[in-house]
Amino acid sequence: GENVEQHPSTLSVQEGDSAVIKCTYSDSASNYFPWYKQELGKRPQLIIDIRSNVGEKKDQRIAVTLNKTAKHFSLHITETQPEDSAVYFCAASGDSNYQLIWGAGTKLIIKP
Amino acid sequence: NAGVTQTPKFQVLKTGQSMTLQCAQDMNHEYMSWYRQDPGMGLRLIHYSVGAGITDQGEVPNGYNVSRSTTEDFPLRLLSAAPSQTSVYFCASSPQPTGELFFGEGSRLTVL
Repeated sequence: GENVEQHPSTLSVQEGDSAVIKCTYSDSASNYFPWYKQELGKRPQLIIDIRSNVGEKKDQRIAVTLNKTAKHFSLHITETQPEDSAVYFCAASGDSNYQLIWGAGTKLIIKP
Repeated sequence: NAGVTQTPKFQVLKTGQSMTLQCAQDMNHEYMSWYRQDPGMGLRLIHYSVGAGITDQGEVPNGYNVSRSTTEDFPLRLLSAAPSQTSVYFCASSPQPTGELFFGEGSRLTVL
């Protein structure tokens, strides 16, 4: 079955700098890769997602890149702000498999 | 729209007791799922449903039952609670299996 590994587990960056979180997956049939943000004590919320027919997707300060050959995808946050502090989760699934498999999460800390 | 509503928010059980976590959504979503979230392990899929009358197992189904008699409701039953089931449980719904998941606020369960 699918396995998703996420690194790093904790990331501390200076406010205004960029943050990059990386995930690798094992099932080459996976074709949907979302990223969720979870603030402390809150529910996860989708921030961006990408499908396998696209290599990159941007939404303001957030971007996701996908390398299907290497089976990895990354979340990029530019010009980080205090409100970006949260735990970020990556996940992967395929159309024929309704099971979304999640990474273990990255705690992003924005230092003032 | 209330979105996804979970009850109760908090519950303490003794080992061997049974209980039901309720989940309801008012978005007419066909896909619903239950996750458990444990520290350092991300979210793990327990059971999911692609429509009324259809359910299937996820990664960690043992000790849990589900049913889907209506589009709106997807209750999760703990048959005989064990300390290993201490966790935060999230219900989620989506208009399609590979698309944005809308989460409930979560239910924190402690089994003594």
